[in-house]
Amino acid sequence: DTEVTQTPKHLVMGMTNKKSLKCEQHMGHRAMYWYKQKAKKPPELMFVYSYEKLSINESVPSRFSPECPNSSLLNLHLHALQPEDSALYLCASSQPLRTGSRETQYFGPGTRLLVL
Amino acid sequence: GQQLNQSPQSMFIQEGEDVSMNCTSSSIFNTWLWYKQDPGEGPVLLIALYKAGELTSNGRLTAQFGITRKDSFLNISASIPSDVGIYFCAGPVNAGGTSYGKLTFGQGTILTVHP
Repeated sequence: DTEVTQTPKHLVMGMTNKKSLKCEQHMGHRAMYWYKQKAKKPPELMFVYSYEKLSINESVPSRFSPECPNSSLLNLHLHALQPEDSALYLCASSQPLRTGSRETQYFGPGTRLLVL
Repeated sequence: GQQLNQSPQSMFIQEGEDVSMNCTSSSIFNTWLWYKQDPGEGPVLLIALYKAGELTSNGRLTAQFGITRKDSFLNISASIPSDVGIYFCAGPVNAGGTSYGKLTFGQGTILTVHP
């Protein structure tokens, strides 16, 4: 099973709203990722969690706040977003590198976010 | 930095034709990944390559890890309408021999298949 699930599939929010995106995997992967993707462009890395600890933050604005409650779950909390934050938000998982495993990331279906 | 140059940017082909796309880099990669993305969906892993010279097939798809470790190609044989989508190559970013769990992506190849 190589499934990563994400909820919700679609989200519309105003600039003053607070919302959360959720991601779950049951592959035993200990590295999880958030990406942002604009139409017809490659995914852009936002955050990396390794063993439930934040290991990479790609200079993402603080209005995006990630959280990894346990090894299977990854959240992205959204607050005071801007219209330009509208995009497809993708979650991915893999085995962390220090296990000597191969660097293969599996993606979820994404959350299509529209900020009005 | 480690950038991937993917070509072609787009392809318009007739059903039944074969397709070839490739990625090149000025840097060495230890892994090459090929993903397909349908509109509004997440990228789906098609083929993963881990060894220079490796040739791997997945149904009508064939991919190769270049012997120089700086390139990879993906071929699709006898294309069908459901092959439509965006294809991305990707490889892990390395710095000083250490990988940080970051992938770099090619810009994608948009494939259109006419019935």
